[in-house]
Amino acid sequence: GAVVSQHPSWVICKSGTSVKIECRSLDFQATTMFWYRQFPKQSLMLMATSNEGSKATYEQGVEKDKFLINHASLTLSTLTVTSAHPEDSSFYICSARAPRAFFGQGTRLTVV
Amino acid sequence: QKEVEQDPGPLSVPEGAIVSLNCTYSNSAFQYFMWYRQYSRKGPELLMYTYSSGNKEDGRFTAQVDKSSKYISLFIRDSQPSDSATYLCAMSAEGNKLVFGAGTILRVKS
Repeated sequence: GAVVSQHPSWVICKSGTSVKIECRSLDFQATTMFWYRQFPKQSLMLMATSNEGSKATYEQGVEKDKFLINHASLTLSTLTVTSAHPEDSSFYICSARAPRAFFGQGTRLTVV
Repeated sequence: QKEVEQDPGPLSVPEGAIVSLNCTYSNSAFQYFMWYRQYSRKGPELLMYTYSSGNKEDGRFTAQVDKSSKYISLFIRDSQPSDSATYLCAMSAEGNKLVFGAGTILRVKS
């Protein structure tokens, strides 16, 4: 299957700082990538759809100024959590391809 | 009512048992159906993908889709302790966005 690589796998940051998470499609080109958030023992919640060369589409209730998404190339999408707060601590996962989506390994963000 | 309903479990079975996992859905526009396995603190791993009613088999896994009843299933034969994970059903209409079930926690006891 297709390979999606996500980095870092875990990060701890101080409240008020920004964190960037990278999502790369390694063996295919992805015009669209998806960013999800997952709380413990809950399912994946779609945050936004990242489109190469254009603005991301955010789901209702997701702050676009808080979660900046950039999809500058066909193999890379980034999610930046700006001015992170403890409530942003979560597991963030990206995916590429649809409908048969392949997921990255996930990034566990802890804001202290 | 949620678009996709899935019993969160946990479901506990002895090693070697046949496991049945199920999801129901309400949106008749869904055309693509997936099952993912997720280990703790890892991204979901695609297990099965199907887009038509009927059965699809891959090794110990069988996916079943009944579009008339809006019901999908995943069967795991000869379950192993390594199958212990959360199983997520997911489905999509033509617009590509995936809708996930809540996930079922499976525990296979040795």
